[in-house]
Amino acid sequence: DIQMTQSPSSLSASVGDRVTITCRASQGITNSLAWYQQIPGKAPNLLLYAASRLKSGVPSRFSGSGSGADYTLTISSLQPEDFATYYCQQYYSTALTFGGGTKVEIK
Amino acid sequence: EVQLLESGGGLVQPGGSLRLSCTASGFTFSNYAMGWVRQAPGKGVEWVSAITGSGGTTYYADSVKGRFTISRDNSKDTLYLQMNSLRAEDTAVYYCAKGYAVTTGSRPYYFDYWGQGTLVIVSS
Repeated sequence: DIQMTQSPSSLSASVGDRVTITCRASQGITNSLAWYQQIPGKAPNLLLYAASRLKSGVPSRFSGSGSGADYTLTISSLQPEDFATYYCQQYYSTALTFGGGTKVEIK
Repeated sequence: EVQLLESGGGLVQPGGSLRLSCTASGFTFSNYAMGWVRQAPGKGVEWVSAITGSGGTTYYADSVKGRFTISRDNSKDTLYLQMNSLRAEDTAVYYCAKGYAVTTGSRPYYFDYWGQGTLVIVSS
């Protein structure tokens, strides 16, 4: 199976900060990557797919980039509702795998 | 509006069985691949299983292969997960999720809508 490694596992940031989360696959996945946000007590919510395509309705402060095995999720200006845990997920392989998550906390 | 409603969770002894159901509405169920994703208490999310829109092809994580069976009844807009030989490590919230696939006969790539989850506890 393709292993997905996220970093950092947690971070503290302030409202208005620019935040970047990294996801590294154990092999190249040709942009077959999705990002999800999970608020405590809720189900994950799709933010982006194909590494950089924003799901309809998701604020434009979220963006994704990357290629090969390395990808990033960027929040350009952190808002109070963005404090949550973020997961990446590869779909290059039929065995879908998620990263371990990055918890974004209030500084 | 897409809605997914899971049911069937509960407390079960190790070695026991449980069947989860997920009733869908707000979209043409048979046109979409579906999946199950779980989350152990305080842990990250883990993909469990997926099925194509027709139900003709199924996919499983190694951790559940041979013990869990995914199926669907397109006449009832319902997805199922039959879980046998349950272990303590299967304790988790199980989410039903609608998949995005390239075609109706394809595997899901990612999940664009999720249910609220149903809790399964495996304990004696």
